[in-house]
Amino acid sequence: KAGVTQTPRYLIKTRGQQVTLSCSPISGHRSVSWYQQTPGQGLQFLFEYFSETQRNKGNFPGRFSGRQFSNSRSEMNVSTLELGDSALYLCASSSNVVNTEAFFGQGTRLTVV
Amino acid sequence: AQKVTQAQTEISVVEKEDVTLDCVYETRDTTYYLFWYKQPPSGELVFLIRRNSFDEQNEISGRYSWNFQKSTSSFNFTITASQVVDSAVYFCALSEANSGYALNFGKGTSLLVTP
Repeated sequence: KAGVTQTPRYLIKTRGQQVTLSCSPISGHRSVSWYQQTPGQGLQFLFEYFSETQRNKGNFPGRFSGRQFSNSRSEMNVSTLELGDSALYLCASSSNVVNTEAFFGQGTRLTVV
Repeated sequence: AQKVTQAQTEISVVEKEDVTLDCVYETRDTTYYLFWYKQPPSGELVFLIRRNSFDEQNEISGRYSWNFQKSTSSFNFTITASQVVDSAVYFCALSEANSGYALNFGKGTSLLVTP
């Protein structure tokens, strides 16, 4: 069974640009969550989608958005990039059981210059 | 508000030593879930264990064991006879029943096991 796939693995962008990251969950999983990991703030929850609906959102500005498609694949978008957005963005996939364990992808390393 | 504290930032042990990683949590909910994840240098978070608030039974899986004590709000993780491959950052996380899949992570403990 294939794991969680995130693309691209690495990305370099310039301040002010926007970026889209992609996540394909484990087959059969309908929940996708996104996390930002930085040395200073650690792992922080961005948002969670289930069956194309955002169910939960963390404390991030509106520049961070996401969506989920009918095949459960998810994208997250960051607009007007800032230097502080440089981070490892991790996607997690979960089954339909609430509060069950999440399975993570290898992440997308975003560097904003 | 929920909070997870991993007071140990870095731990260094010699192979075959036992090591315990501490996790203390705060929550007002009576129903919650606790997790441990391992993050090797590759970056991917690897799920280790999930425990719900109504199950205080300790668990052992090979060299890994977990001690859940509601009285002290702790969920500690012990690695017995550590190996070099155990070197990684370990995260404790909390999820409340009404937060769905949102995980609140601690800052992590970096474990280095040397030969």
